[in-house]
Amino acid sequence: QQQVKQSPQSLIVQKGGISIINCAYENTAFDYFPWYQQFPGKGPALLIAIRPDVSEKKEGRFTISFNKSAKQFSLHIMDSQPGDSATYFCAATSFFSGNTPLVFGKGTRLSVIA
Amino acid sequence: NAGVMQNPRHLVRRRGQEARLRCSPMKGHSHVYWYRQLPEEGLKFMVYLQKENIIDESGMPKERFSAEFPKEGPSILRIQQVVRGDSAAYFCASSLRQGSYEQYFGPGTRLTVT
Repeated sequence: QQQVKQSPQSLIVQKGGISIINCAYENTAFDYFPWYQQFPGKGPALLIAIRPDVSEKKEGRFTISFNKSAKQFSLHIMDSQPGDSATYFCAATSFFSGNTPLVFGKGTRLSVIA
Repeated sequence: NAGVMQNPRHLVRRRGQEARLRCSPMKGHSHVYWYRQLPEEGLKFMVYLQKENIIDESGMPKERFSAEFPKEGPSILRIQQVVRGDSAAYFCASSLRQGSYEQYFGPGTRLTVT
């Protein structure tokens, strides 16, 4: 079964707009939630990550919002740029409590158009 | 280049042949992970290795697949008697700390089985 569900599958956003990608998880033992960015033909690159003891983490134009009770987290890309066009993956693991492998969502293909 | 290196980048094999994929972790990293990515899918964990040890192989198919990370040299993912269903992108990641925290990915090997 899929432990991390990601939506939408694809997303088109105007330049300067806000891109929002959502993920939901089932395993309450997950305690580390990274997001990865992948460009075509490249490997995923760690973008930003959060632990469940905080509700939000911001790095530049990228923000993770975390809702522990709903078991959901989301990535917000402010002032989206064409260079942000890539596939984004959320992931989860029980690193701090059990050291389990990363479980990835299926990805969201983001296209930022001018 | 201090990043994770993988070779070859592209590999074509006929059904029944063997495929060997190599991964050199980032300098100073001794933890290596292998993932498989099918088209339009997220990454699926296969195996986690440290030098000379397999730590977690819960994601490895039971037959035809094996992995090693010798004391000297790169980590190798070996697929014997390849079938068309093995066609995928295989990514290696490395980390400084044990487990899944801050994994850094290589560019991947795209395996095509004809």
